[in-house]
Amino acid sequence: AQSVTQPDIHITVSEGASLELRCNYSYGATPYLFWYVQSPGQGLQLLLKYFSGDTLVQGIKGFEAEFKRSQSSFNLRKPSVHWSDAAEYFCAVNSGGYQKVTFGTGTKLQVIP
Amino acid sequence: DGGITQSPKYLFRKEGQNVTLSCEQNLNHDAMYWYRQDPGQGLRLIYYSQIVNDFQKGDIAEGYSVSREKKESFPLTVTSAQKNPTAFYLCASSSDGNTIYFGEGSWLTVV
Repeated sequence: AQSVTQPDIHITVSEGASLELRCNYSYGATPYLFWYVQSPGQGLQLLLKYFSGDTLVQGIKGFEAEFKRSQSSFNLRKPSVHWSDAAEYFCAVNSGGYQKVTFGTGTKLQVIP
Repeated sequence: DGGITQSPKYLFRKEGQNVTLSCEQNLNHDAMYWYRQDPGQGLRLIYYSQIVNDFQKGDIAEGYSVSREKKESFPLTVTSAQKNPTAFYLCASSSDGNTIYFGEGSWLTVV
């Protein structure tokens, strides 16, 4: 069965600093990979997705993620964090099929001045 | 604007009462989903529907029911059999079963 691990429950970064959120997955083949962002009390917004091809994926709001097959990872990065990036971030894996999306437990990002 | 609309945003349920959460999408997506979100547990799939008049149980379907009479609508009923219904409920849709798009969510609280 597929699984997703986000090892960091909570991360604090200073505004303007770089950010990397970790995501590891477990699946036999190459899955579809996603990152979502959720502001408090809101739904999830898709930041970016990886299906195949170039392993460095660009998303909205200046985010990017890199798929590393050898490490089973799909880490999310941003060069310079803004206060408005404070939210919860979810990594998700889809092994194919309508019911086969698995979400990580999320990483809460706090941005300090 | 295309999107997924959930209503109401906040709902209170008394013990023994059934309540229904509405979800409407105008994205022309075939598939629709209901997820439950509890703090620290990520998202758990309640039900999903690939086409009209067909739906399947997800991981935590007990105490919930759905219908899919129209392509754009997928209401969720939280029945009295659901013993711990207080949670944030998210409706979603997809055109291909791969990329899922979410609504703004509904808070359900038992009083």
